[in-house]
Amino acid sequence: AQSVTQLDSHVSVSEGTPVLLRCNYSSSYSPSLFWYVQHPNKGLQLLLKYTSAATLVKGINGFEAEFKKSETSFHLTKPSAHMSDAAEYFCVVTEGDTGRRALTFGSGTRLQVQP
Amino acid sequence: EPEVTQTPSHQVTQMGQEVILRCVPISNHLYFYWYRQILGQKVEFLVSFYNNEISEKSEIFDDQFSVERPDGSNFTLKIRSTKLEDSAMYFCASRQGQGKTQYFGPGTRLLVL
Repeated sequence: AQSVTQLDSHVSVSEGTPVLLRCNYSSSYSPSLFWYVQHPNKGLQLLLKYTSAATLVKGINGFEAEFKKSETSFHLTKPSAHMSDAAEYFCVVTEGDTGRRALTFGSGTRLQVQP
Repeated sequence: EPEVTQTPSHQVTQMGQEVILRCVPISNHLYFYWYRQILGQKVEFLVSFYNNEISEKSEIFDDQFSVERPDGSNFTLKIRSTKLEDSAMYFCASRQGQGKTQYFGPGTRLLVL
């Protein structure tokens, strides 16, 4: 079975400061891990994904995440927050990559960016 | 850039009524999904569909739910007799194949009164 825990329901940062959104996962098999972002009244947009290649994954809009198997973590970071980064972020896991496997979502982290 | 589209964006219905939520996946995608997000809760998997049949479904996806790909472009979710607890945002997603990303539509917000 697979599961995801997002450790913070809300994170607030000042514009220009670093962002850290924490995610721990549980998976019986080699997982694929994703971060999706949801802006208000918008769909879910893929930020980045890890699928057993490089452990440091770079995504869109300056975000990156590092897969740490020993810590079962996949934290999302960005060196400098922008106002447009304010949104809900979801850490997502799926086991294997058969093309049919469902995604398991974390509960989400709402990121606020203060001017 | 191709995208998944969903209609309607909002749907209000009375308890016990049937609703059909529509999705147009990206044209060369082969795997299709429905997820839902009850307000304030996690996004939950409902069902996946491949090769004109359900390949996986969650315990949420009971006999009140059905999916169909009636033609080459649409993918629908039908709820036969809606309940208050079916009120949620419903997301459609599609995927090209193995090793590929699931792309999500903007969602349909369903409100059951």
